[in-house]
Amino acid sequence: DTAVSQTPKYLVTQMGNDKSIKCEQNLGHDTMYWYKQDSKKFLKIMFSYNNKELIINETVPNRFSPKSPDKAHLNLHINSLELGDSAVYFCASSQEFEAFFGQGTRLTVV
Amino acid sequence: AQSVTQLDSHVSVSEGTPVLLRCNYSSSYSPSLFWYVQHPNKGLQLLLKYTSAATLVKGINGFEAEFKKSETSFHLTKPSAHMSDAAEYFCVVSRLSSGGGADGLTFGKGTHLIIQP
Repeated sequence: DTAVSQTPKYLVTQMGNDKSIKCEQNLGHDTMYWYKQDSKKFLKIMFSYNNKELIINETVPNRFSPKSPDKAHLNLHINSLELGDSAVYFCASSQEFEAFFGQGTRLTVV
Repeated sequence: AQSVTQLDSHVSVSEGTPVLLRCNYSSSYSPSLFWYVQHPNKGLQLLLKYTSAATLVKGINGFEAEFKKSETSFHLTKPSAHMSDAAEYFCVVSRLSSGGGADGLTFGKGTHLIIQP
């Protein structure tokens, strides 16, 4: 019974394409996030949604857009992919202080 | 504002010897602190958390950490390292947002733990 699941696990695509990563949580949490982990393993928050409202939006390119159809889902859409977008993207959810993470999506742009 | 500094990018210990991974934090409010572990090509797993209760926190797999406000530290320790402990470890600081969820987790840059046989 996976708490936070994201798909796909691996994504290889060409520059210029548009892609989406899906995330679902079955914990009933109010807040969901997207994090990016770069090649040096550094994790940085990209977006946060609380009750379907964006509450954190770090300085990410506007090619990245989060979409939350309901409280249990937060999908990440990326337009016009660039080589520098290659990274591992983690979805997470939280109710209070603790966050639960998905297994990550390794995006490779070629 | 909040920040986390992990003082060592790599730590190497022999199997069966103690582990110490160091973390200092900066926060303008009472923080919640966590240690997460990431095994190769895996997701992030919570090891332990401090949320203003007992300052000595016990986690999974024999790890523990002590919150020291005077030193703004939250170092992770384990008495005896096991080969399966080899992984990346992240110290994390968090706070509640007005909406009730964590106001984003701020991660340290990670410490790569190597276990020598």
